[in-house]
Order: sequence, then C-alpha cells, then structure tokens
Amino acid sequence: ETGVTQTPRHLVMGMTNKKSLKCEQHLGHNAMYWYKQSAKKPLELMFVYNFKEQTENNSVPSRFSPECPNSSHLFLHLHTLQPEDSALYLCASTTGGVDSGNTIYFGEGSWLTVV
Amino acid sequence: GQNIDQPTEMTATEGAIVQINCTYQTSGFNGLFWYQQHAGEAPTFLSYNVLDGLEEKGRFSSFLSRSKGYSYLLLKELQMKDSASYLCAVIDSNYQLIWGAGTKLIIKP
Repeated sequence: ETGVTQTPRHLVMGMTNKKSLKCEQHLGHNAMYWYKQSAKKPLELMFVYNFKEQTENNSVPSRFSPECPNSSHLFLHLHTLQPEDSALYLCASTTGGVDSGNTIYFGEGSWLTVV
Repeated sequence: GQNIDQPTEMTATEGAIVQINCTYQTSGFNGLFWYQQHAGEAPTFLSYNVLDGLEEKGRFSSFLSRSKGYSYLLLKELQMKDSASYLCAVIDSNYQLIWGAGTKLIIKP
C-alpha cells in the first residue's frame, strides 16, 4: 500500500469507447502525475499537476484528457484510443517536485487494453 | 539526446550478490533514483544519490560517479523476493526525470 490508489486495475475498451482512469492519493501531496509504462520501454511522463494546475503536458495526443479537481484526485479521460495505447498507466504523487530528491509514490497502475 | 542505459535482464542465485549498472548521458545532473517494481505492482523507492560515493541501506547499496555518468545498485544476500525490475532515473538540468527502461532481475534457487 503506497497511499496512491488507482481504479480500475484492468480495463479493456474498444477504439470507439470513452472511459476514465481514476487516481486518489491519501498522502497530502501537492503534485500528481500520469505516466505510461510499456514493456521494455522507459516510463513516459504524460501530465503533471501542481496544486491542481497542469504544469506539464508532454505532447500527449488529445485522445488522452487529464482532469484534476483537487490535490487528492486525478483522472485520465480516454476516448477513441488506438491499439498502441495499450499499456500500464501509472499515477504518482510527490510533495513538491522531484528536483530535491523527493520520493515519488506510485499507484499500482491501470492495465489498459485497446481492442 | 538524453539516454539512460541499463541491462534488460539479469539472472542471479539466491544468497549471492548482484550489481545492476546504470549509465546516463543527460543534459546536466541533479540526482539519481533507483526504484524497485515487482510484476503487477507499483514502483517503490529504493535510493537517491546526488553526491559521489556509496550509500548503504541494509542489503541494498547504491553507488554514484558523476564524472563517469555511472551508477550501480548492489544487492547482497539475494532472496527470492528480490526478483523484480529495477528502474534507474536521473534528474537533468531542467529538473526533468529521465527514466531507464529497467532491468528485470531473476533470482534462481
């Protein structure tokens, strides 16, 4: 238990579906992140929120839409995805940024399969 | 470009010692992390190095040489539960976290 909870853990969706991934952190952190993890590839940072404000969007396609209603919750809205979007999506949080070596706390991830 | 290199997979024997290397070429350096990720689970923090030298934490130690762009994670007295992927990540000059692809460590009895 890392203090970061993600739901659902597994999701299978068609290319025309709309679904959402949810993340909740119980650590009082002010920064939250979405990462994509594909097999044998480095973690890809997708979005960063600091105090509910989006501070980074790493050229992510618009079919991925993040939402951060408060410092404890983060959503990733998915629509018209492609099969290559199938991956593990990890949510993470930190207190402050990583620049001072602050530990990143990850959720267990949502396994997404696009069919 | 920025690059983190780690071996894709390593195999070691229970009770032995294994060293997982990480070399990096990044625009600047502001620290290096090691994370452990068991299959199907969240990555969890192992160590953070910002100065040269060896940091020991129980059975795990992490070493950094900034001049060589090199770090290693040393695992002693290996246990079956150490079977996992080990991720190296570097903070660059823009305070962006650059991740390696991870090293899958397989422990055999």
